[in-house]
Amino acid sequence: DAGVIQSPRHEVTEMGQEVTLRCKPISGHDYLFWYRQTMMRGLELLIYFNNNVPIDDSGMPEDRFSAKMPNASFSTLKIQPSEPRDSAVYFCASSPGSGSDTQYFGPGTRLTVL
Amino acid sequence: AQSVTQLDSHVSVSEGTPVLLRCNYSSSYSPSLFWYVQHPNKGLQLLLKYTSAATLVKGINGFEAEFKKSETSFHLTKPSAHMSDAAEYFCVVTVRRSQGNLIFGKGTKLSVKP
Repeated sequence: DAGVIQSPRHEVTEMGQEVTLRCKPISGHDYLFWYRQTMMRGLELLIYFNNNVPIDDSGMPEDRFSAKMPNASFSTLKIQPSEPRDSAVYFCASSPGSGSDTQYFGPGTRLTVL
Repeated sequence: AQSVTQLDSHVSVSEGTPVLLRCNYSSSYSPSLFWYVQHPNKGLQLLLKYTSAATLVKGINGFEAEFKKSETSFHLTKPSAHMSDAAEYFCVVTVRRSQGNLIFGKGTKLSVKP
């Protein structure tokens, strides 16, 4: 299995620009999670989906952040407009569900907003 | 409510000596406990997981952890450190079989000296 795939691996953009991060979960997994990691705040759960439906988005910091999961094999996290304080590593993870709560993480996207 | 405390932000050992990374948890329900490892500029990799079976859990790369309910601890150990073990380690707690509710510790950075 290829594992969780994220793209791009690195993104550098200017303040005010729209940023879209992409994630492909492990095939057959029912749950998908988006996390943000910073030095100051550690790992934070932003949102998670079950069977493509958003279940908990209470971690999404502001309306500038939005996430979608149009099908079982693809999800996006969008930031519009981006700000320097959004600079972080964003991780996507997936979990099989069906009694298993183990999450498998992607390699992350390092976002730098200038 | 669940919480997890990693007692050391940084641990330094010499190659070939034992490793001990300490973790205490708090959970109102039967917890699942995990250790994840993150190598520099990489995603998080699952080391091991405790559910409700044996209290001594063996993971990858020679790591193991012991669940001690009386002490609410889940310390990670390895008999002999290798240079490749240098990374950041995260202790994670969740209510068993509850999706999305992973609570991460702040992380312990392990340094291994030659």
